[in-house]
Amino acid sequence: QKEVEQNSGPLSVPEGAIASLNCTYSDRGSQSFFWYRQYSGKSPELIMFIYSNGDKEDGRFTAQLNKASQYVSLLIRDSQPSDSATYLCAVNIAQRTGRRALTFGSGTRLQVQP
Amino acid sequence: ETGVTQTPRHLVMGMTNKKSLKCEQHLGHNAMYWYKQSAKKPLELMFVYSLEERVENNSVPSRFSPECPNSSHLFLHLHTLQPEDSALYLCASSQDPGGGSPLHFGNGTRLTVT
Repeated sequence: QKEVEQNSGPLSVPEGAIASLNCTYSDRGSQSFFWYRQYSGKSPELIMFIYSNGDKEDGRFTAQLNKASQYVSLLIRDSQPSDSATYLCAVNIAQRTGRRALTFGSGTRLQVQP
Repeated sequence: ETGVTQTPRHLVMGMTNKKSLKCEQHLGHNAMYWYKQSAKKPLELMFVYSLEERVENNSVPSRFSPECPNSSHLFLHLHTLQPEDSALYLCASSQDPGGGSPLHFGNGTRLTVT
């Protein structure tokens, strides 16, 4: 089982729709969860982070966390063509040393159709 | 300068060359990281430094040698690389080395090994 799993996509949604991106993780002790956006040829940029169960909203973005199900999601409302990018889920997973570090999923490619 | 800066942006090297990647962070963070991003693979954690001490080496081959002379600077020394080492190398910094705070990425170095 991969430590952080995402559907690679592409996820295609029409402009103005809600895009729903999902992520599952293997480490029950993880406490910190992040969503990054990466445009082609660019480095990842932080969109949101969430630490507690439930929803966290920031503008058009909502992060949802369910630790019991080991599941975190990102909703993008009123999707725009400029939202077309790869979305990376990152979770603080215990490494071989026992210390935690951010481990990334393979990303979901989102395409917003005008 | 602000944020995290990486040089060079692009690097082409032969398998027998020795080169170094440089990273500098201007955010006052305590931790610095090297990640590798290959085509169609998730971001892979390579090294973590916390206050200049290496706290994580994620089974990286010895042909990659990190150096952290102070909390603002990080280097990745490269020697006798293989073509499969061609990738985007990303430097990042954060306040918390345990994955509890967001990573801020530099623009990356696109490395091609010929």
